[in-house]
Amino acid sequence: QKEVEQNSGPLSVPEGAIASLNCTYSDRVSQSFFWYRQYSGKSPELIMSIYSNGDKEDGRFTAQLNKASQYVSLLIRDSQPSDSATYLCAVIGTSYDKVIFGPGTSLSVIP
Amino acid sequence: NAGVTQTPKFQVLKTGQSMTLQCAQDMNHNSMYWYRQDPGMGLRLIYYSASEGTTDKGEVPNGYNVSRLNKREFSLRLESAAPSQTSVYFCASSASAPDTQYFGPGTRLTVL
Repeated sequence: QKEVEQNSGPLSVPEGAIASLNCTYSDRVSQSFFWYRQYSGKSPELIMSIYSNGDKEDGRFTAQLNKASQYVSLLIRDSQPSDSATYLCAVIGTSYDKVIFGPGTSLSVIP
Repeated sequence: NAGVTQTPKFQVLKTGQSMTLQCAQDMNHNSMYWYRQDPGMGLRLIYYSASEGTTDKGEVPNGYNVSRLNKREFSLRLESAAPSQTSVYFCASSASAPDTQYFGPGTRLTVL
């Protein structure tokens, strides 16, 4: 089992819809979780971090964390074509000194 | 602030050649990282430096060496390039290990 897994893409949603991106992780002691966005040909950039169970909202983005289920998700409300990118889930691993990235989910928002 | 810079942006090597990828950050970060990104594989950690003077292996260190030259600079060396090292290489830094990472623009390397 990979340490961090994401729902396979590509994911396509119409403009204005809610995009839901999911991530599961294998290490029960993980405490810190991140979502990065990567446009084609560019480098990853941080969207959100979340450390506690529950929801964290930032504009159109909501991160949800459930440590009991070892699950973290990212919801994008009112999706825009500019949200079309690959979204990387990242988790701080057991050794606490490095971040482990999932394979990414490609999102396409159709106008 | 330039953030994280990487040179070169593109490079083509022949099998067996050597080269060094350069990375520098101007954010006074303690920790620096080298990743490679291949289609369908996500970002894989090659080496990292939690603080100046220390380096540690990541998930895929074979065929690479690193040097943390000072707090700002962290270089990645390929001693004898192989086609399997064809990839996009990203350098990243964070204030401390681990924390939010800031990425450079990447180096696209092709080994023939």
